[in-house]
Amino acid sequence: AQSVTQLGSHVSVSEGALVLLRCNYSSSVPPYLFWYVQYPNQGLQLLLKYTSAATLVKGINGFEAEFKKSETSFHLTKPSAHMSDAAEYFCAVSEGGYQKVTFGIGTKLQVIP
Amino acid sequence: NAGVTQTPKFQVLKTGQSMTLQCAQDMNHNSMYWYRQDPGMGLRLIYYSASEGTTDKGEVPNGYNVSRLNKREFSLRLESAAPSQTSVYFCGSKGPENTEAFFGQGTRLTVV
Repeated sequence: AQSVTQLGSHVSVSEGALVLLRCNYSSSVPPYLFWYVQYPNQGLQLLLKYTSAATLVKGINGFEAEFKKSETSFHLTKPSAHMSDAAEYFCAVSEGGYQKVTFGIGTKLQVIP
Repeated sequence: NAGVTQTPKFQVLKTGQSMTLQCAQDMNHNSMYWYRQDPGMGLRLIYYSASEGTTDKGEVPNGYNVSRLNKREFSLRLESAAPSQTSVYFCGSKGPENTEAFFGQGTRLTVV
């Protein structure tokens, strides 16, 4: 069965500092991996996705993530945090086949001025 | 291009009342989903439908039923609402396996 673990339900960074949000997955087959962002009282917006092409994936708003099979990880990074990055971030996995999409519990990012 | 449309956006129910949450997508996707979002618990899958005519239980199906009316529409029914079903509900849809899921804006449901 597929699953996602997000380490750290709350992360605080200073404006301009590196953002690192951690995601580890479990999957019985090669996975498809996604990062979504949710701003307060809004729906989910796709940041980026890994679909077995390049292992380093670039997304919107300067975010990127690297798929590491040996570590079963797909951590999200951004070199310099901006105030507008404050939101909740969700990692998700899909194994194809039945197309079930499983989410992690989310990480709330706080950006301190 | 509307994407995924959910109705209603807000709803207050009394314990024991029933209601149906509606969802429609215009992207010709085969797969559709219903999730609930609760603080600290992420999005938990209630039911999903991999194609028209099929539905499967997710993590938290108790107290809910679904209908995949056609390829576009996937409804979620609460037969007898309970305070534990107070949550934000998201409907989603997805195309081929290497693509992402798209989501509606959510329904905020309060059961009193």
